[in-house]
Amino acid sequence: QSVLTQPPSVSAAPGQNVTISCSGSSSNIGNRYVSWYQQFPGTAPKLLIYDNNERPSGISDRFSGSKSGTSATLGITGLQTGDEADYYCGTWDNSLGAGGVFGGGTKLTVL
Amino acid sequence: EVQLLESGGGLVQPGGSLRLSCAVSGFTFSSHAMSWVRQAPGKGLDWVSGVGTGDATYYADSVKGRFTVSRDNSKNTVYLQMNNLRAEDTAVYYCAKEDITRHFFFQHWGQGTLVTVSS
Repeated sequence: QSVLTQPPSVSAAPGQNVTISCSGSSSNIGNRYVSWYQQFPGTAPKLLIYDNNERPSGISDRFSGSKSGTSATLGITGLQTGDEADYYCGTWDNSLGAGGVFGGGTKLTVL
Repeated sequence: EVQLLESGGGLVQPGGSLRLSCAVSGFTFSSHAMSWVRQAPGKGLDWVSGVGTGDATYYADSVKGRFTVSRDNSKNTVYLQMNNLRAEDTAVYYCAKEDITRHFFFQHWGQGTLVTVSS
């Protein structure tokens, strides 16, 4: 059971837009920056979003991030077949035994 | 170019030990916190441990008391000593470089090293 809650899967057709949610609490998302990662099978995760809504250099502006209270959202516009991957949110948790936490991951299927 | 290269994975029996290493290059190692993140087969990302730029270390509850993280700035290497290994520790272990802002995100990851705990 992950500390951060993501939907196990989302799907949409090419060209459409999709959002992936990440729900936490005041000890993590509510008081910390959120990051998002994309992962293809057999490869290391790739940073998509940091500090809630910032994109690293080289990341398409089709990817966006937002945060409100204890939840965060990854948005992807103009879906492409190459976006089919697993997506994870992550942050730091300040509760007893502080440490990093990730969501359980969301499998994006581009129909 | 930033590079992180893990080594030390392999097959170990339950109760055994392994030491993972992550040799880095392309950045000022001593200025960055480092983390170990693992991924069990078919499962999601699981943060394991982190070491700050000083002596601070952090552990997930699942490994506390069994794993020890350390760094050697003279060798640009971070280590993860894993003792009393369990079947549920079976995973690909990634080392990751934390951003200098300490906002807990990882732009650079190693390729991972597989640890299999089985008799």
